[in-house]
Amino acid sequence: KQEVTQIPAALSVPEGENLVLNCSFTDSAIYNLQWFRQDPGKGLTSLLLIQSSQREQTSGRLNASLDKSSGRSTLYIAASQPGDSATYLCAVRPQRSSNTGKLIFGQGTTLQVKP
Amino acid sequence: DVKVTQSSRYLVKRTGEKVFLECVQDMDHENMFWYRQDPGLGLRLIYFSYDVKMKEKGDIPEGYSVSREKKERFSLILESASTNQTSMYLCASSLPARDTQYFGPGTRLTVL
Repeated sequence: KQEVTQIPAALSVPEGENLVLNCSFTDSAIYNLQWFRQDPGKGLTSLLLIQSSQREQTSGRLNASLDKSSGRSTLYIAASQPGDSATYLCAVRPQRSSNTGKLIFGQGTTLQVKP
Repeated sequence: DVKVTQSSRYLVKRTGEKVFLECVQDMDHENMFWYRQDPGLGLRLIYFSYDVKMKEKGDIPEGYSVSREKKERFSLILESASTNQTSMYLCASSLPARDTQYFGPGTRLTVL
């Protein structure tokens, strides 16, 4: 059974720091991996999606990498800002769910960027 | 922009009541999903639907049922609400060939 783990559960950094969020998964048979952002009391917004054949994706100050063989992904945030404060969730799409789009989520890392 | 809306942001119900949570998407997506989110447990899939009138159980379907009579609308039904169903409920939709799921704002349900 696929399990997704995110470490740390919470992180507090001063503004301007570069930071890395970690995600690990137990079964390397994935179709893709996504990183989402969730603001308090709200739904999820997709940030980056990495297909299983890709190594990384970039969007602005965000860079996500994928090492499928070791079951790991990282989300790198450059020059963090207070507006980056949110919960970041990692989700994998198992290969066996490729027709339905079912995702398996990690528990998230709650980030606080202090001014 | 894809828009997924949920009928209520906050809902308070009593034990034993029948509860309907509605989700509507405006982008003609085939797939729709219902998740619940609890502290320490993350998002867990309750049910999903890949077409009108088609549904499949997710990881925690017990105590829930769903209805999809129209493509744009996916309803989650709590037949007899219990206190352990107090949670944040999130709806999502996606195209089958595309990968990104689009989420609604969530409904925070409290069962007293």
